[in-house]
Amino acid sequence: DIQMTQSPSSLSASVGDRVTITCRAGQSISDYLNWYQQTPGKAPKVLIYAASNLHSGVPSRFSGSGSGTDFTLTIRSLQPEDFATYYCQQSYITPYTFGQGTKLETK
Amino acid sequence: QVQLVQSGAEVKKPGASVKVSCRASGDTFTSYYVHWVRQAPGQGLEWLGVINPSGVNTIYAPKFQGRVTLTRDTSARTVSLDLSSLRYGDTAVYYCAPAISRGGWFDPWGQGTLVTVSS
Repeated sequence: DIQMTQSPSSLSASVGDRVTITCRAGQSISDYLNWYQQTPGKAPKVLIYAASNLHSGVPSRFSGSGSGTDFTLTIRSLQPEDFATYYCQQSYITPYTFGQGTKLETK
Repeated sequence: QVQLVQSGAEVKKPGASVKVSCRASGDTFTSYYVHWVRQAPGQGLEWLGVINPSGVNTIYAPKFQGRVTLTRDTSARTVSLDLSSLRYGDTAVYYCAPAISRGGWFDPWGQGTLVTVSS
């Protein structure tokens, strides 16, 4: 299985801040890397697919980059609705695996 | 765009089996792979397996091989997850999630079905 390691596991920030979450794959996954946002009690929603593509309807303050083994999710100018848990996921090879999650909390 | 509505919550005893269904609306359902992902209380996301658009091919996570079965009824626009030999650790919310291609992203996810294993 490909291990996906996110950092940090939790992050405190304020509205208006710029935050970056990183995700490292245990082997190269090309650009088969997706980012999801999950709020309590809700199903995850895709934000970024194929490493750097913004999903339809997702605000442009979200961006993704990387390829191979190292990836980042950046949120420029945090909004109140962005405080949630974020997961990376590789869809390069089964079993598809997720990072452990990054919980973004209000400072 | 396809939308998936899942069956309701289940409570099962250890050793029993559970079936969770996912019914689709939208004209393009037959084009989608459907994945299943679970989330134990307070934990992260765990992938169980995928069924292809025709329903002929399935891939399961090795951890669940032998206990999980995915099926697809194209005429009923339904995909189902059967999980057998339930253990307390199987208590989780189970999600179905479509993907337009085998290596694609999951979107949009079903609303989730809570399966509780309790004696």
